[in-house]
Amino acid sequence: GAVVSQHPSRVICKSGTSVKIECRSLDFQATTMFWYRQFPKQSLMLMATSNEGSKATYEQGVEKDKFLINHASLTLSTLTVTSAHPEDSSFYICSAPGVAGGSYNEQFFGPGTRLTVL
Amino acid sequence: GQQLNQSPQSMFIQEGEDVSMNCTSSSIFNTWLWYKQDPGEGPVLLIALYKAGELTSNGRLTAQFGITRKDSFLNISASIPSDVGIYFCAGQFYYGNNRLAFGKGNQVVVIP
Repeated sequence: GAVVSQHPSRVICKSGTSVKIECRSLDFQATTMFWYRQFPKQSLMLMATSNEGSKATYEQGVEKDKFLINHASLTLSTLTVTSAHPEDSSFYICSAPGVAGGSYNEQFFGPGTRLTVL
Repeated sequence: GQQLNQSPQSMFIQEGEDVSMNCTSSSIFNTWLWYKQDPGEGPVLLIALYKAGELTSNGRLTAQFGITRKDSFLNISASIPSDVGIYFCAGQFYYGNNRLAFGKGNQVVVIP
């Protein structure tokens, strides 16, 4: 199946710094990628839809100036957490739909990035 | 926002037993999905359901898409230790774009 990678897998940073997380589709192209946030023992919450060549679409309540998304190519989307604070500590997961087929394009998830803000 | 109610939230079962969990929503979805997530990893797709009433199996897993398009269940038969993990239901929004809404998850613990 299709593979999605994330880098880094784990990052610890000081409060006030910015952190960039990369999401790559390794063997397929993705014009759309999705970014989720998951707090401990909770569900995945969709943050935004990353669109190649255009602006990201953010879910209600997600600050677009706080979570900057850039879909630079058909295989790479980046999420930058700006001026990170301890409450931003979470597990960030990206996904990308695979090749179109039928009524649903299976989404392939990355392994996630654990962000800890001190 | 869209909410999926998943129950039960946690289960402790004996190895070899069957497991059932379900998911309901106030919204209609055109696709229901079941994922398994191991600690520190991303979710992995187990079963996808495309049609109302559809019953699909994948090995020891069986899932059904409710007639009303607002619910689904997942059964795991003859559980084994590697079934431990968190199981999430997810619904694809009817208006497309492949966006998914996830349930809160069901923590399954298999006791050898």
